[in-house]
Amino acid sequence: QKEVEQNSGPLSVPEGAIASLNCTYSDRGSQSFFWYRQYSGKSPELIMSIYSNGDKEDGRFTAQLNKASQYVSLLIRDSQPSDSATYLCAVNILPENQGGKLIFGQGTELSVKP
Amino acid sequence: DTEVTQTPKHLVMGMTNKKSLKCEQHMGHRAMYWYKQKAKKPPELMFVYSYEKLSINESVPSRFSPECPNSSLLNLHLHALQPEDSALYLCASSQGTYNSPLHFGNGTRLTVT
Repeated sequence: QKEVEQNSGPLSVPEGAIASLNCTYSDRGSQSFFWYRQYSGKSPELIMSIYSNGDKEDGRFTAQLNKASQYVSLLIRDSQPSDSATYLCAVNILPENQGGKLIFGQGTELSVKP
Repeated sequence: DTEVTQTPKHLVMGMTNKKSLKCEQHMGHRAMYWYKQKAKKPPELMFVYSYEKLSINESVPSRFSPECPNSSLLNLHLHALQPEDSALYLCASSQGTYNSPLHFGNGTRLTVT
């Protein structure tokens, strides 16, 4: 089983719709979770971080975490064509005293159609 | 603008060459990372430095040699690479705690001929 799993997509949504991206992880001891956005040919850019069960909102983005189900999701409201990118779920696998170890899922390619 | 600076942006090298990738951050971060990313794949961890000491080596071949001269600088020395080593090499830094996100540089696009 892969440590971090995502549906690779592509996920296509119309402009103005809600895009829902999902991620599961295998290490039950993981404590911190991140969503990165990566445009083609560019480096990953941090969108959201989440550490506690529940929802965390930042503008049009909402991250959701359920540690019991080992599940992380990202909702993008009012999707715009500029949101078209690959979204990477990342999980920090301990040990902390070694700087942490951030493992990425395969990424979900999102396409927002005008 | 990224606060992690990588040079060069592009590098083409032959299999017998020796070259180095450089990374610099001025955010006071204590952990620095090298990732390798192939097309349509996620970033793959290579090395982690914590407080200037190598803490994680993900069984990377010895033709890749990392170096951390100080807390702001990270190098990756390349020697006798193979064409399959062609990829985007990403440097990142973080505060080094479990809840610290990584901040990535713009990467070096490496082509081995």
